[in-house]
Amino acid sequence: GDSVTQMEGPVTLSEEAFLTINCTYTATGYPSLFWYVQYPGEGLQLLLKATKADDKGSNKGFEATYRKETTSFHLEKGSVQVSDSAVYFCASDPLIQGAQKLVFGQGTRLTINP
Amino acid sequence: EPEVTQTPSHQVTQMGQEVILRCVPISNHLYFYWYRQILGQKVEFLVSFYNNEISEKSEIFDDQFSVERPDGSNFTLKIRSTKLEDSAMYFCASIQDRVQETQYFGPGTRLLVL
Repeated sequence: GDSVTQMEGPVTLSEEAFLTINCTYTATGYPSLFWYVQYPGEGLQLLLKATKADDKGSNKGFEATYRKETTSFHLEKGSVQVSDSAVYFCASDPLIQGAQKLVFGQGTRLTINP
Repeated sequence: EPEVTQTPSHQVTQMGQEVILRCVPISNHLYFYWYRQILGQKVEFLVSFYNNEISEKSEIFDDQFSVERPDGSNFTLKIRSTKLEDSAMYFCASIQDRVQETQYFGPGTRLLVL
């Protein structure tokens, strides 16, 4: 079945550092891909998404490009802030009729120090 | 901006008791989901619901679980006889249609079974 694998956390960076959180997926078809963020004590919020190969999703300075050749959707940000501290989840939607569900990675906890 | 709401935010119950978790999806959405996240683990799909019936369920969603849309606005998850391992954060999500794809999540209900 479909699966999503994220880089192991936790990740700790200093403010203004460059961030990459790796995400790879396995799928039988062509899923849509998502990054969700979970701030402390809150629910899941959609950060960005991409629905087809070579699409780039972006939001709040974060970017991720749907790479079919490497089955990846890595999350990047050029200069992180303390307020970016959260857990980040990569997810796929198989878009197969009847399989109406998101498949999540294990989450990566990010801590940004001032 | 419309949002998915969930009540209660926290619930503590004794093992063997029934609990009902409530969700109000976004009003024009047609597909509804429950996910759960055991502390420190992945977000896992439980069930999807469309047109007043379950469209898919995971192996976690056994006979102890049921879902219902009792009126035009609420979407509930019932656990008939809770076990210790049901302790988790439960998230409700909804989407407008399959074309729209993006699932919007509620803030979650943290369930603790003692």
